[in-house]
Amino acid sequence: GALVYQYPRRTICKSGTSMRMECQAVGFQATSVAWYRQSPQKTFELIALSTVNSAIKYEQNFTQEKFPISHPNLSFSSMTVLNAYLEDRGLYLCGARDGHPYAEQFFGPGTRLTVL
Amino acid sequence: GDQVEQSPSALSLHEGTGSALRCNFTTTMRAVQWFRKNSRGSLINLFYLASGTKENGRLKSAFDSKERYSTLHIRDAQLEDSGTYFCAALTSGGNYKPTFGKGTSLVVHP
Repeated sequence: GALVYQYPRRTICKSGTSMRMECQAVGFQATSVAWYRQSPQKTFELIALSTVNSAIKYEQNFTQEKFPISHPNLSFSSMTVLNAYLEDRGLYLCGARDGHPYAEQFFGPGTRLTVL
Repeated sequence: GDQVEQSPSALSLHEGTGSALRCNFTTTMRAVQWFRKNSRGSLINLFYLASGTKENGRLKSAFDSKERYSTLHIRDAQLEDSGTYFCAALTSGGNYKPTFGKGTSLVVHP
């Protein structure tokens, strides 16, 4: 079956430091990977949509300079939160799907980021 | 404004009863998924629909792209059904952005 792993599951970083999180797809080809953030009391905000061999599309209020994403192959993606501050805390989810544009999306369990 | 409006935001059911969750869309969506967030915080895939209806056990989902809505029906609710349910829809027209509803918090009481 299709599985998505994310690590670390939980992490704590000091304000102003950076944190890298990873997403691994197993059992299918992760042609497209979407990174989301679920902030406290909010729904899932789409940060960016990455497609292998295409440019990464960032949503409004999110930039590559703050959330650089790597998607080097069909099974792996990573995202870094640079210069993290309190407002960056939350649950970061990775959702991956295969080549069909409207294919079913599979989610990892998320990386919970706490910023001190 | 929000493209996906999910309702109700909270739902309380007695064991053995049923109800429906709904997501309305402000634009045409190409497909919809329903998830349940489990006790560990993971999103569990319940349904993926590009059209029509699907049924799995006590759950049934429908998606009408033209009428811009999707529903998730729960029948004979059990205690383990408690959790937060989300719909997520894929916009059409070449912009494949998956957009989530704000979730429905379901509590099933004995």
